[in-house]
Amino acid sequence: SQQGEEDPQALSIQEGENATMNCSYKTSINNLQWYRQNSGRGLVHLILIRSNEREKHSGRLRVTLDTSKKSSSLLITASRAADTASYFCATADAETGRRALTFGSGTRLQVQP
Amino acid sequence: NAGVTQTPKFRVLKTGQSMTLLCAQDMNHEYMYWYRQDPGMGLRLIHYSVGEGTTAKGEVPDGYNVSRLKKQNFLLGLESAAPSQTSVYFCASSPSRTSYGYTFGSGTRLTVV
Repeated sequence: SQQGEEDPQALSIQEGENATMNCSYKTSINNLQWYRQNSGRGLVHLILIRSNEREKHSGRLRVTLDTSKKSSSLLITASRAADTASYFCATADAETGRRALTFGSGTRLQVQP
Repeated sequence: NAGVTQTPKFRVLKTGQSMTLLCAQDMNHEYMYWYRQDPGMGLRLIHYSVGEGTTAKGEVPDGYNVSRLKKQNFLLGLESAAPSQTSVYFCASSPSRTSYGYTFGSGTRLTVV
């Protein structure tokens, strides 16, 4: 099944630095979403970018989408220790008609204070 | 607080036992989903529902059954638990198909021994 794959699997940075995570997927999509998961908790929706959009901002988050390369990136600027979490991309498949998101395996972000 | 509530939060089962996980949402969402998350992996879709009285299979439906008798509730049943079903189970809901972010519950950690 089509699935987003995040890269890198793990990322460790210092507080104040920027963190960039990438997601690749396999089929045409309607939209792509990013979620955060703190340890032992449920996922929290961060941002949604539609297939006809190229870039979207929300606070310290910047998401880009390149449908020709079937890839997306999530940039967190001026990271904080509280940003430590796993980040997942999820895609809404436009080809199979599946009415549910497909999630990638995630990037574990560690922000050192 | 509005959101998705999962019960129980933790459970240990013996192989062959059965149990039901309950998911309740108070946001009047049409769509509800059950995912499982295994260590170091993303979420895999078990079953989902596009409205009261409807259910559909996801990626990994074997060994599970679901029911959506009321719009606000989505039940996940394990008929005869197996060690391979040891996982963290997440319920989520959304207003529509895939055009909105999902709201997740906090998860049920299930261990089958």
